[in-house]
Amino acid sequence: DAKTTQPNSMESNEEEPVHLPCNHSTISGTDYIHWYRQLPSQGPEYVIHGLTSNVNNRMASLAIAEDRKSSTLILHRATLRDAAVYYCILRPQASPLVFGKGTRLSVIA
Amino acid sequence: EAGVAQSPRYKIIEKRQSVAFWCNPISGHATLYWYQQILGQGPKLLIQFQNNGVVDDSQLPKDRFSAERLKGVDSTLKIQPAKLEDSAVYLCASQQFGAGGYTFGSGTRLTVV
Repeated sequence: DAKTTQPNSMESNEEEPVHLPCNHSTISGTDYIHWYRQLPSQGPEYVIHGLTSNVNNRMASLAIAEDRKSSTLILHRATLRDAAVYYCILRPQASPLVFGKGTRLSVIA
Repeated sequence: EAGVAQSPRYKIIEKRQSVAFWCNPISGHATLYWYQQILGQGPKLLIQFQNNGVVDDSQLPKDRFSAERLKGVDSTLKIQPAKLEDSAVYLCASQQFGAGGYTFGSGTRLTVV
């Protein structure tokens, strides 16, 4: 399975933007970049995914480097409810998700 | 739309006992997954179903774990006999098709004592 590298933890102030980085230097051409988050005592929640172009949805934006070897999940305005573990996952099409350890995001009021 | 339903929410059993978990996926979702999440780690895939057929069960400890998906809808995961190291959260997820996102349930927290 292709691997991703994420910081173990990050901290953000409430109402400020958060940029969560992910390195995936061994990505192949058919790997989709998925982001999930897991709030305490809940199952993971889908956030966003993309292949080559940047993507936006109501939850976040995904910025993908031109060479696809890294990506950044952007939360435009962090709230206390965004405190969670964020997983960056490479997924070959039709293959199941393989989770790493993710980044634990703390949001400070 | 209703989410993925799992029950029970919590379960405590003694080692060597058996236990079963139930999952009801989102209506119309053909693909169903069971994951095991040990404290402090990311979820680990146990088994993948497409409708009522098994696609991937390579990481399922088949000497003690079994799973089925009746009529391509609900699914049950069973452990018999349980070991202490089976203490974890068991997560069920479903997906409609293709490269889209999964929807996870809240999980069943199993404690084996």
